Amino acid sequence: EAGVVQSPRYKIIEKKQPVAFWCNPISGHNTLYWYRQNLGQGPELLIRYENEEAVDDSQLPKDRFSAERLKGVDSTLKIQPAELGDSAVYLCASSLESSEKLFFGSGTQLSVL
Amino acid sequence: QKEVEQDPGPLSVPEGAIVSLNCTYSNSAFQYFMWYRQYSRKGPELLMYTYSSGNKEDGRFTAQVDKSSKYISLFIRDSQPSDSATYLCAMRFSGNTPLVFGKGTRLSVIA
Repeated sequence: EAGVVQSPRYKIIEKKQPVAFWCNPISGHNTLYWYRQNLGQGPELLIRYENEEAVDDSQLPKDRFSAERLKGVDSTLKIQPAELGDSAVYLCASSLESSEKLFFGSGTQLSVL
Repeated sequence: QKEVEQDPGPLSVPEGAIVSLNCTYSNSAFQYFMWYRQYSRKGPELLMYTYSSGNKEDGRFTAQVDKSSKYISLFIRDSQPSDSATYLCAMRFSGNTPLVFGKGTRLSVIA
């Protein structure tokens, strides 16, 4: 069974440029999460989806970050415009609707120059 | 004070050693406790998941939760070079609440 798939694996952009990350969760997992992991830190939740609905986006910087999960499957996280401080690994995870067990993708490492 | 404290290491041990990794937390309302392993340039991978105080064993790994002391541990027996990774503790409250992660401890097992 395929795990959580993310692309791209790496992205280097200049500040003020837009960037987008894509995630395909494990088949059948209704809950999808986007986390940000700074160097030497644990992951921090940005947004959680239950099917198509964003049920927890309190930590998402809404002035520059946006996310969508069309048809309750794939998801896209966008940053526009990117800032230097956005350099981090962006992780997508998924879980069964009522399960506490999260499965993570390999992440997208973003470098903003 | 952060909700979850974890010594970032690095921790270096010889192959075959017993490794002890620890986290402390400040909020007694945490109910679920997890340990994730993260290899370089990979996402975290769930190792152990516990709910109550006590021990849970899975092969060479033992997770221990002491709710009275707000302290959790992960023990690795007969450590192998392939165990070299960053180990993240994580915990959450009951209900549909987000995981709170520690910073992770970087472990190196030397052959």
